[in-house]
Amino acid sequence: EAQVTQNPRYLITVTGKKLTVTCSQNMNHEYMSWYRQDPGLGLRQIYYSMNVEVTDKGDVPEGYKVSRKEKRNFPLILESPSPNQTSLYFCASSLSRGGFTEAFFGQGTRLTVV
Amino acid sequence: QQPVQSPQAVILREGEDAVINCSSSKALYSVHWYRQKHGEAPVFLMILLKGGEQKGHEKISASFNEKKQQSSLYLTASQLSYSGTYFCGTERSGGGADGLTFGKGTHLIIQP
Repeated sequence: EAQVTQNPRYLITVTGKKLTVTCSQNMNHEYMSWYRQDPGLGLRQIYYSMNVEVTDKGDVPEGYKVSRKEKRNFPLILESPSPNQTSLYFCASSLSRGGFTEAFFGQGTRLTVV
Repeated sequence: QQPVQSPQAVILREGEDAVINCSSSKALYSVHWYRQKHGEAPVFLMILLKGGEQKGHEKISASFNEKKQQSSLYLTASQLSYSGTYFCGTERSGGGADGLTFGKGTHLIIQP
């Protein structure tokens, strides 16, 4: 089954404790991205990657890191989480050949930083 | 820069029609529409490429006016299952180099 898998689904952590949210897709997609969703603000892009070893900042990259060492994986790293990073996070992937095609989203990770 | 969606929310009776608008201040290559049910991931509805195409999906269709940088999503004879939050996503270049930017969403509530 074609899917994007995020882990964990729910996470509560303390300020300053490094964490990683994993994202994996099984569709051989070139393009992957991370979004955060906050009430009233919609989906805002954090980082995206057009292919292995190619990443770029989205609209709200501060406080986040990503890496793309393999085509299928695109982890989101919070080196020193803060309460303002409490949010619902989505990973998405799509083909990227001459323009966007359908984006497939993971199930979401609800992060709470206390 | 996020596209602007309107209205922010709409409440309808089952069977009524709805229109959701999405506009951008920048030239667009494509517009995407997604629907998100509460507690779930967004799900793809359709893509419209510049050229003014109008696409349809069952009773949901959309148009893209590239001169005005506007897109509209049309839901006819709405069903209870149409309830959710609708997002438009815009792409400024065809190579995906700048990512997909989403609006803040339109909450649609369909009542029996």
